[in-house]
Amino acid sequence: DTGVSQNPRHKITKRGQNVTFRCDPISEHNRLYWYRQTLGQGPEFLTYFQNEAQLEKSRLLSDRFSAERPKGSFSTLEIQRTEQGDSAMYLCASSPSTGGGLPVNIQYFGAGTRLSVL
Amino acid sequence: AQKITQTQPGMFVQEKEAVTLDCTYDTSDQSYGLFWYKQPSSGEMIFLIYQGSYDEQNATEGRYSLNFQKARKSANLVISASQLGDSAMYFCAMREGPGGYQKVTFGTGTKLQVIP
Repeated sequence: DTGVSQNPRHKITKRGQNVTFRCDPISEHNRLYWYRQTLGQGPEFLTYFQNEAQLEKSRLLSDRFSAERPKGSFSTLEIQRTEQGDSAMYLCASSPSTGGGLPVNIQYFGAGTRLSVL
Repeated sequence: AQKITQTQPGMFVQEKEAVTLDCTYDTSDQSYGLFWYKQPSSGEMIFLIYQGSYDEQNATEGRYSLNFQKARKSANLVISASQLGDSAMYFCAMREGPGGYQKVTFGTGTKLQVIP
């Protein structure tokens, strides 16, 4: 079963360092999403790709954050000059663009990358 | 205004009993979708059930059913015959607009604990 894969699962970094997370979506899914989840909250939308095109970005995605999906397959999320407020779980999800018998807009999530900024 | 409201921060249920988790939503769109996800302590968000705004029947998936009351803007999750493995956070979520616009908004979640 090849679900959404995220690496690393945990990342501890010092304030001011850059970090990069990777997401490998379900192989036939052309839509990919990044969310951030802080303690006691639901996931908050960050950005959305269809194939390699980044179609939507939240205001939460400051200029220290950048996401790419260069070949329309895996995606990376980079945070530059990390701050303690960046500590959170970063979740990736993917979905197909055609239903295949299911509603097209079901997003399937990975297990997330937990970031701790010291 | 909150788009998704889950008013129960925590719920307890006896094993084998049914439980209802509340969710109300706010949207002016005619086309939208409602989801429930389960998040165990491992962190992964697990899709449970989906209801489209135009679906006339309430969605059901095994022990999960979604009690969709459009006029009240509520989409409660009913779990029948609770199991110990159902202990987790449960999130209600909504996609607004037609299918091409994919942003999903989540509620703050309800922590369900199943008591043996």
